[in-house]
Amino acid sequence: ETGVTQSPTHLIKTRGQQVTLRCSSQSGHNTVSWYQQALGQGPQFIFQYYREEENGRGNFPPRFSGLQFPNYSSELNVNALELDDSALYLCASSKDRVYGYTFGSGTRLTVV
Amino acid sequence: GIQVEQSPPDLILQEGANSTLRCNFSDSVNNLQWFHQNPWGQLINLFYIPSGTKQNGRLSATTVATERYSLLYISSSQTTDSGVYFCAVETSGSRLTFGEGTQLTVNP
Repeated sequence: ETGVTQSPTHLIKTRGQQVTLRCSSQSGHNTVSWYQQALGQGPQFIFQYYREEENGRGNFPPRFSGLQFPNYSSELNVNALELDDSALYLCASSKDRVYGYTFGSGTRLTVV
Repeated sequence: GIQVEQSPPDLILQEGANSTLRCNFSDSVNNLQWFHQNPWGQLINLFYIPSGTKQNGRLSATTVATERYSLLYISSSQTTDSGVYFCAVETSGSRLTFGEGTQLTVNP
């Protein structure tokens, strides 16, 4: 059984650019959530996808957008990057939003 | 929204000591998980425990849902237990709300 995998592991972007982060959910899981973790803080919920539909969104601007594909993998897109977007981005998957969530290792994004 | 408070924020132990981490939450929850964040950033699921008591080796957890708190016990701590421990709760809906974490340092 494969776990949650994220790519890339590290990324450096320039302010104003766009970035796409990728997540493959754990086998058998149909729900993917994205979280942003700033240094020294707990993760903050960005949004969740359940069976390819957005199912809840946190307090993030529209320049944060996402997709879920038929194989339940997911992308997080961030447009017009700002310095404050520098963070660890974590993806989590679950089956039918029950029995807890499994997290990937994250993508560390640095905006310069 | 729901509030999650963890205590203590920092904890320093000698190897072999026992410890208790606490998580208080402000509303009823459907899901409560304890995570250990390793130095590389990955959140390792320790327990899925919306209520009751569970044990896994040197770790155990208890959630008293009616009183809105959960405890994580670490016995005979080892240096590899160092890291940040997070409590996260889910109410109705889709999101996990995390506490600010407890930074645990176990010295040899």
